[in-house]
Amino acid sequence: AQTIHQWPVAEIKAVGSPLSLGCTIKGKSSPNLYWYWQATGGTLQQLFYSITVGQVESVVQLNLSASRPKDDQFILSTEKLLLSHSGFYLCAWSPGLGTSAETLYFGSGTRLTVL
Amino acid sequence: SQWGEENLQALSIQEGEDVTMNCSYKTYTTVVQWYRQKSGKGPAQLILIRSNEREKRSGRLRATLDTSSQSSSLSITGTLATDTAVYFCATDAHNNNAPRFGAGTKLSVKP
Repeated sequence: AQTIHQWPVAEIKAVGSPLSLGCTIKGKSSPNLYWYWQATGGTLQQLFYSITVGQVESVVQLNLSASRPKDDQFILSTEKLLLSHSGFYLCAWSPGLGTSAETLYFGSGTRLTVL
Repeated sequence: SQWGEENLQALSIQEGEDVTMNCSYKTYTTVVQWYRQKSGKGPAQLILIRSNEREKRSGRLRATLDTSSQSSSLSITGTLATDTAVYFCATDAHNNNAPRFGAGTKLSVKP
């Protein structure tokens, strides 16, 4: 069975400080990977996606970056946090079947508070 | 009803009641997915209904899809307190195969 693990569970950071969030997917080779951001009470905003190692596409510009250093790992980072970065970050994977709308499998998320 | 540009909708009902949540979308889609997100957790898919299906059932859940009106609904019969969550509909993406999510409906089921 496939599993997805996100870390950390929560972070409290200062404005201007760096950030690194990660997720690991086990039991599935070559998945599509995604980062989503969710404001409190908000919808899911896709940030980045990756279909293969080393290749990441940005969907929205939020002064964040993402990398896929391994097939099963996806990293979200920034060098300088803004207050607006606060929220709930979700990593997700899909089977990469090439269909028009794949089922997403989400991690448990990281709650980020920027002060 | 929900879509991405609208505010989160909220419903509050008593356990045992039936509920229907609606979703309207603006562009053609081949599937509508419904996800449930419990507090502090990631969303999980409940049901996927394709454009050639008008109705799909899964346990206490029933999804409908009307492509002519570009709308979908999710009904839950005999709700339980554990059904308390935010429910999102999601349609085809325009790229990268990831679905696009609506604004969500916050359902509170009181025991």
